[in-house]
Amino acid sequence: AQSVTQPDIHITVSEGASLELRCNYSYGATPYLFWYVQSPGQGLQLLLKYFSGDTLVQGIKGFEAEFKRSQSSFNLRKPSVHWSDAAEYFCAVGAGAAGNKLTFGGGTRVLVKP
Amino acid sequence: GAGVSQTPSNKVTEKGKYVELRCDPISGHTALYWYRQSLGQGPEFLIYFQGTGAADDSGLPNDRFFAVRPEGSVSTLKIQRTERGDSAVYLCASRSGQGREQFFGPGTRLTVL
Repeated sequence: AQSVTQPDIHITVSEGASLELRCNYSYGATPYLFWYVQSPGQGLQLLLKYFSGDTLVQGIKGFEAEFKRSQSSFNLRKPSVHWSDAAEYFCAVGAGAAGNKLTFGGGTRVLVKP
Repeated sequence: GAGVSQTPSNKVTEKGKYVELRCDPISGHTALYWYRQSLGQGPEFLIYFQGTGAADDSGLPNDRFFAVRPEGSVSTLKIQRTERGDSAVYLCASRSGQGREQFFGPGTRLTVL
């Protein structure tokens, strides 16, 4: 069975500083990997995804993530954080054909200091 | 076009009562998923429909939970004899037949008193 670990429960970063959120997954085959963001009281919004090909993927809102098969990781990065990036971030792995049945990590809450 | 919608947005019920949560997927999306998100945790898979049939219901926690999608569009998640532990946000997502991305609705927050 697949699993996802997000080691950092909370991260506090200053506005304008860089941000990196860690994600490690366990899955027996080639994974489909996703990062979602959830603002308070909101649903999940897809930031970016990896299915195959180039291991560095670009997403919305200036985010990028790098798939590293050797490390079973899919870390999310942003070079310069804005106050509006304060939210909870979830990494997920999709199992089966066409990425059915997502398994999510526990999430990382990002706080942005002015 | 319209995204995934869920009704109600909030539902408060008493222990032992029956509740129904509704999901309207994106028009034309053949796949529909239900997830449950408890406080402070990531969403957990409940059930997946392909068309009208439940292709995978392995995430349903027990037989008090049931979901239907009779016409392959709208889905209803039904919870019988609710317990306080059922309190959570219930999320619905849909996906097009050829797509790999799931699009999520805003969720229904269920509170069992």
